[in-house]
Amino acid sequence: DVVMTQSPLSLPVTLGQPASISCRSSQSLVYSDGNTYLNWFQQRPGQSPRRLIYKVSNRDSGVPDRFSGSGSGTDFTLKISRVEAEDVGVYYCMQGTQWPITFGQGTRLEIK
Amino acid sequence: EVQLLESGGGLVKPGGSLRLSCAASGFTFSNYAMSWVRQAPGKGLEWVSTISGSGGSTYYADSVKGRFTISRDNSKNTLSLQMNSLRAEDTAVYYCAKGCGSTCYSDYDFWGQGTLVTVSS
Repeated sequence: DVVMTQSPLSLPVTLGQPASISCRSSQSLVYSDGNTYLNWFQQRPGQSPRRLIYKVSNRDSGVPDRFSGSGSGTDFTLKISRVEAEDVGVYYCMQGTQWPITFGQGTRLEIK
Repeated sequence: EVQLLESGGGLVKPGGSLRLSCAASGFTFSNYAMSWVRQAPGKGLEWVSTISGSGGSTYYADSVKGRFTISRDNSKNTLSLQMNSLRAEDTAVYYCAKGCGSTCYSDYDFWGQGTLVTVSS
């Protein structure tokens, strides 16, 4: 199975400051079709997950442009340029390149 | 507007069975693979099972293989998960999630609100 490792697991951030979450996979996430199936989800307290980013860097409709995704191969990053109060929650990376689908452990973002 | 509404969760004894359902609307259901993803209390996300748009292909996590069965009724826009031989470690919120295409299994672009399954004596 592909192991997804996120860091940090806890991320206290001051409002208006940037934040960065790392996600590393135990194997390359480049699929035979050339795509890299690495996605990012946000789970606000008491809510179901919501997709933010798909295929490494494509932002979903309605997602603020302060969220961005980058990376390649086995090393990926989610960045928030200026954290707002509504960004509090847990962020998960997920790989869809290989069965079984696997998620990172989650990174809990809180306001300092 | 895409909507996924799960139901069927509840309290069940170890060894018992439960059937979850997910009613879908707002999109052409048969054109999309569908999945179940669970989240144990206070824990992270775990993929459980996926079914293709036609229902002809199914996939299971090793932890549930042989005990859970995923199915769909495209005439009723409904996804189901039959869970047998339930264990305490199956206790979780179960989410249904919409895939990216009929045989596109790499992504979930919309999730339901979840239904809680508790396995306890």
